[in-house]
Amino acid sequence: QQPVQSPQAVILREGEDAVINCSSSKALYSVHWYRQKHGEAPVFLMILLKGGEQKGHEKISASFNEKKQQSSLYLTASQLSYSGTYFCGTEEGGTSYGKLTFGQGTILTVHP
Amino acid sequence: NAGVMQNPRHLVRRRGQEARLRCSPMKGHSHVYWYRQLPEEGLKFMVYLQKENIIDESGMPKERFSAEFPKEGPSILRIQQVVRGDSAAYFCASSPRRLGDNTEAFFGQGTRLTVV
Repeated sequence: QQPVQSPQAVILREGEDAVINCSSSKALYSVHWYRQKHGEAPVFLMILLKGGEQKGHEKISASFNEKKQQSSLYLTASQLSYSGTYFCGTEEGGTSYGKLTFGQGTILTVHP
Repeated sequence: NAGVMQNPRHLVRRRGQEARLRCSPMKGHSHVYWYRQLPEEGLKFMVYLQKENIIDESGMPKERFSAEFPKEGPSILRIQQVVRGDSAAYFCASSPRRLGDNTEAFFGQGTRLTVV
């Protein structure tokens, strides 16, 4: 089941903040966040595990509500380089261990 | 340590031909994943392989598509008798352990397949 991301698109000015949400109807084992620039490979940002463990970049934070099967990515003091499409990938565990199902993406545009 | 290498970067095939997409994972990575991305859309899971084994192929179309990851050499995604609907970017990712073990996937630059 594909997770649902919101919003679909965000437009910011440099220095502004944004929150991107990811919601699933399935119980999740982990949530992974990636950013993809046009024509390039997705780049890892953050992984959040059931139980609270997380790993990622210093300037990016995220949360994972296991009970609600929701995750949010927080982008603060945005920079031009933050522009791109953000994808959350969810891992359901069980027989789906190792398989990431990605949301449809959130397009973030940061203007000077 | 070189990243995930995919080749070719661009591939043009006529309808009915075969397409072979190659993926060399990062050194030390034994888990490989293939995803398909249509223009302006998300990444669709196709198959998850671990050396010589297919772990999960639930996203692979039943016909014309196959994948392998031999003991030696790159992982291959093979599309037989391509149709225009197969045109897409195909991304390969690799990881040193199963993703459930607090491990991220590293993506290659993708192969853009165009069927004419």
